[in-house]
Amino acid sequence: EPEVTQTPSHQVTQMGQEVILRCVPISNHLYFYWYRQILGQKVEFLVSFYNNEISEKSEIFDDQFSVERPDGSNFTLKIRSTKLEDSAMYFCASSREEGRNQPQHFGDGTRLSIL
Amino acid sequence: GDSVTQMEGPVTLSEEAFLTINCTYTATGYPSLFWYVQYPGEGLQLLLKATKADDKGSNKGFEATYRKETTSFHLEKGSVQVSDSAVYFCALSMGSQGNLIFGKGTKLSVKP
Repeated sequence: EPEVTQTPSHQVTQMGQEVILRCVPISNHLYFYWYRQILGQKVEFLVSFYNNEISEKSEIFDDQFSVERPDGSNFTLKIRSTKLEDSAMYFCASSREEGRNQPQHFGDGTRLSIL
Repeated sequence: GDSVTQMEGPVTLSEEAFLTINCTYTATGYPSLFWYVQYPGEGLQLLLKATKADDKGSNKGFEATYRKETTSFHLEKGSVQVSDSAVYFCALSMGSQGNLIFGKGTKLSVKP
């Protein structure tokens, strides 16, 4: 069964450094998402992306964050200048179609640790 | 705003016990409802879903019914196995974009 893959599985970065988290969505999916889960808290929506544009973003997704689909397969999340509070598990998800009824398929996540 | 509330965990059961994990939601419209499961070291996997009132989602022996009158979507299984040990997340989706709003998750441990 096709799956969403995320790399790396664990990223350790010094505060203030830039970090790029990578995701390869399922190949025939068109809608892409990033979520994060701070330890012990809820999984929170960050951003959705379709047709090379951000569709929707949460208030968490401020100017420090950006997303890109640099080629036909990768979908990346960049944090420009990391803070301690960015430490979390980041999940990428994709879906074939848009809308509230469509299931999203998740990757295994990248654990980001900011020192 | 829209939100999901799940019962606090952890929940510890013996094998073959009956499972209920409570989930209630608050939404301004008519959401779709989902249960996702996260096994240790893995990502979130869709377990089941329901898209309108009175729908029942089911998968792998798990069931949940969309109850609009009580704004609930409780997860049940008649006889749990050790392999069901995982974290279970209730979620809703609204609007055209489909982004998910999750509960905090409930950790289930099943003992032999």
